[in-house]
Amino acid sequence: NAGVTQTPKFQVLKTGQSMTLQCAQDMNHEYMSWYRQDPGMGLRLIHYSVGAGITDQGEVPNGYNVSRSTTEDFPLRLLSAAPSQTSVYFCASTGQGDNEQFFGPGTRLTVL
Amino acid sequence: GENVEQHPSTLSVQEGDSAVIKCTYSDSASNYFPWYKQELGKGPQLIIDIRSNVGEKKDQRIAVTLNKTAKHFSLHITETQPEDSAVYFCAALRGPSGNEKLTFGTGTRLTIIP
Repeated sequence: NAGVTQTPKFQVLKTGQSMTLQCAQDMNHEYMSWYRQDPGMGLRLIHYSVGAGITDQGEVPNGYNVSRSTTEDFPLRLLSAAPSQTSVYFCASTGQGDNEQFFGPGTRLTVL
Repeated sequence: GENVEQHPSTLSVQEGDSAVIKCTYSDSASNYFPWYKQELGKGPQLIIDIRSNVGEKKDQRIAVTLNKTAKHFSLHITETQPEDSAVYFCAALRGPSGNEKLTFGTGTRLTIIP
């Protein structure tokens, strides 16, 4: 199993540009989440999904959209990037009935 | 909602000594408390967890203790080694499973001095 994969690893955007961060897992996990990690602030939940077709907002959802058309994929979309969205983004997944979250390697995003 | 505070933010210990990281939580209904280790350039990885019906759990050099009354839990690493250098995060969850409401602490950067 590849586990949780994320692409790209690094990305630089200009203010106002849009992009999609990709996340995929091959463990047939129902739960998937997106976090952002900023210095001194730990990991903050952006959006999450409890299964295909179901998504919900986390702690810091503004400026981000998600969709979950399949169990495997959970892309995160930035419609109009802002410098405040400069961060490291992590995707995670958890199996149903379990608690352990498996994290991807992260995407480092810089918005100029 | 849940609030998790973690201390200290940085910790340096001599190789072979013990390290202790402490967390407090606010929601008395939280019932699952994991600890994650994050190495440079990688995603967090679960190293140990504890549920609210257990007071202590140990896995080789790592142990976690939970005090439900005081709403705090701690990570203990004994006989520290250079590979223990990393950022450690505590977290708290209310609910049976899924982690969709997992709240993380702000992290502790642990440095092991050879």
